Amino acid sequence: AQTVTQSQPEMSVQEAETVTLSCTYDTSENNYYLFWYKQPPSRQMILVIRQEAYKQQNATENRFSVNFQKAAKSFSLKISDSQLGDTAMYFCAFMKPPDGGSQGNLIFGKGTKLSVKP
Amino acid sequence: KAGVTQTPRYLIKTRGQQVTLSCSPISGHRSVSWYQQTPGQGLQFLFEYFSETQRNKGNFPGRFSGRQFSNSRSEMNVSTLELGDSALYLCASSWRQGDYEQYFGPGTRLTVT
Repeated sequence: AQTVTQSQPEMSVQEAETVTLSCTYDTSENNYYLFWYKQPPSRQMILVIRQEAYKQQNATENRFSVNFQKAAKSFSLKISDSQLGDTAMYFCAFMKPPDGGSQGNLIFGKGTKLSVKP
Repeated sequence: KAGVTQTPRYLIKTRGQQVTLSCSPISGHRSVSWYQQTPGQGLQFLFEYFSETQRNKGNFPGRFSGRQFSNSRSEMNVSTLELGDSALYLCASSWRQGDYEQYFGPGTRLTVT
C-alpha cells in the first residue's frame, strides 16, 4: 500500500521569501503521479503542480517548483516570492496511473499549514 | 466553464439518520470521486464512479454508498449516521477516463449531533 508523509505540520514564512515544504512517499510502483494541492481557508482544493514519475525534469509552475527525487521517494515543493495569498493548507498526494476502468484515487499526506506573514 | 458544484454546502443531522450529498461534475467530465476530510484522519478516498459504475472503493463501511447518473452527476449516501461521520465531504471530477487531473468541489460540511 502506498503512503504519503508530510513531516511539517505547520510552517511560516515572511512575504517575498522562499519556503520549501517536504513530502516523502512509499510505493513499489515504478510509474505514478505526484501532486501538490492547496486548500485555502475557503476550502476549495486547488491543484498547484503535478509531476509524472517517468519525467526526470522537475515540474515548475510560475513561483512553484518541485524537487523530485525518485530514488529517495521525495517530492518537495518550493514556493518563491511568497505572497499573502499563498497562506493555506498544502497537501502532497500520490496516484497510480489510471488502470482499465478505474480513474485512480489520490492518496494524501496529512498536510502542512503554511502561513505567510506580512 | 462552471466548476464542480456540491449541494448542500452545510448539513446538520442527528445520529442514526441518513443523509444524501450531491455532486455535479464539470461539464463533460465523466469520472467522479468522493473523499472524506477529517482533522484526525485527513483526506481519505471513499469511492469513484465512471459511466454510472463504481470503479474503485476505499476502506469505508457499507453504510457509505454512492451512485452516478447518466449525466455524470453523483450522489453519496450515508446511512445510520455516527458522530464520527462528521466531516467535510469533497467531490472531484475528471475530464475523461485516463486523465489523471482531478478538480475538486467546495465540499459539503456534515455535522452529526
